[in-house]
Amino acid sequence: DTGVSQNPRHKITKRGQNVTFRCDPISEHNRLYWYRQTLGQGPEFLTYFQNEAQLEKSRLLSDRFSAERPKGSFSTLEIQRTEQGDSAMYLCASSPGTGNEQFFGPGTRLTVL
Amino acid sequence: DAKTTQPTSMDCAEGRAANLPCNHSTISGNEYVYWYRQIHSQGPQYIIHGLKNNETNEMASLIITEDRKSSTLILPHATLRDTAVYYCIVRVLVSGNTPLVFGKGTRLSVIA
Repeated sequence: DTGVSQNPRHKITKRGQNVTFRCDPISEHNRLYWYRQTLGQGPEFLTYFQNEAQLEKSRLLSDRFSAERPKGSFSTLEIQRTEQGDSAMYLCASSPGTGNEQFFGPGTRLTVL
Repeated sequence: DAKTTQPTSMDCAEGRAANLPCNHSTISGNEYVYWYRQIHSQGPQYIIHGLKNNETNEMASLIITEDRKSSTLILPHATLRDTAVYYCIVRVLVSGNTPLVFGKGTRLSVIA
């Protein structure tokens, strides 16, 4: 069990640039979640997938954000035209279809200058 | 999902039991109590969950009051590595897994 992995671990970008993050879930976990966490706050749900289908999106997920999970394995989260308010830790989690736990990755810390 | 209330921070001496309270007075009959923790610079980690009976695993014990309006997470012998933010979450367990709704949690500091 290699756990959930996320890349990159850190990303610094200038306002207005596009960024893409990758999440590799635990093998055979069919549910994959994206959360965002700002300093001093708990993680906030963004979106989740069951296999390749995106089942729910939070109101936090503006139209500048897009997530994909094309083959039901890894997922990408893209932010277009980044803003300073997008600076946060982006967390990915996966879970088996019938389990109770969500297993989180280490996160990608985004800093928008 | 019902709202939870937790103290902002707590201290515990190393080797002693850490008792972390959580109030969830509006919990519904089909909602479970979950605990996760987040060590600095890591993603959250599942600890334990329960419905109405007390639960114990290798990490912790969960004590839920009879009226289910509050619960306590117990780390029986806290170590420095238990220093983390602990989140109490109430959620309905439907088929599969629904997104987690985190509050601000309790920052536990274990002191040598």
